[in-house]
Amino acid sequence: AQSVSQHNHHVILSEAASLELGCNYSYGGTVNLFWYVQYPGQHLQLLLKYFSGDPLVKGIKGFEAEFIKSKFSFNLRKPSVQWSDTAEYFCAVISTSGTYKYIFGTGTRLKVLA
Amino acid sequence: ETGVTQSPTHLIKTRGQQVTLRCSSQSGHNTVSWYQQALGQGPQFIFQYYREEENGRGNFPPRFSGLQFPNYSSELNVNALELDDSALYLCASSLFRGNQETQYFGPGTRLLVL
Repeated sequence: AQSVSQHNHHVILSEAASLELGCNYSYGGTVNLFWYVQYPGQHLQLLLKYFSGDPLVKGIKGFEAEFIKSKFSFNLRKPSVQWSDTAEYFCAVISTSGTYKYIFGTGTRLKVLA
Repeated sequence: ETGVTQSPTHLIKTRGQQVTLRCSSQSGHNTVSWYQQALGQGPQFIFQYYREEENGRGNFPPRFSGLQFPNYSSELNVNALELDDSALYLCASSLFRGNQETQYFGPGTRLLVL
């Protein structure tokens, strides 16, 4: 079955620490990849997306993600986190072959300590 | 702000009742998707509507049904409510462009079934 795995369910970092959140998917074929963020009390917001081309994509607020096709991964990174990055982060995948639908991971809760 | 609005924000129903949730898409978008997000989980895809036709469905029973109107607003209907239907219901709108689609989410409707 198609799935998206986010291995880190809870992450706690101090401000200025570097962040890497893992995302692996099990689709075959062509995929579109996304990271969404949900700040406390707010709705899901798009951080960044990958459709094709350069596998290193840059998003808002200093986030970036790298698509590694051979590893079926799309990890999210930020060199230096801030307290305001405290949120829940979701990886999502669309397979563009077969049934067309979004699949979300279970999310990673990030807490940044000031 | 994504321009996607949902109503109501909160709703309490009892088991066996029926509920209708509403969504207004972002201007210019022709596709709407609905998701169920249980507490501590990622959003689960219910279905998608494109130009008033169902364009994909997740693993939800037929008592979950939807409509998309000519103005691209949408409804999610759930019949015979069960306790497990308690969740945050998210609407996402997008401009369907073949293999590239980015979804923008509304704030959600929180449904509690007693």
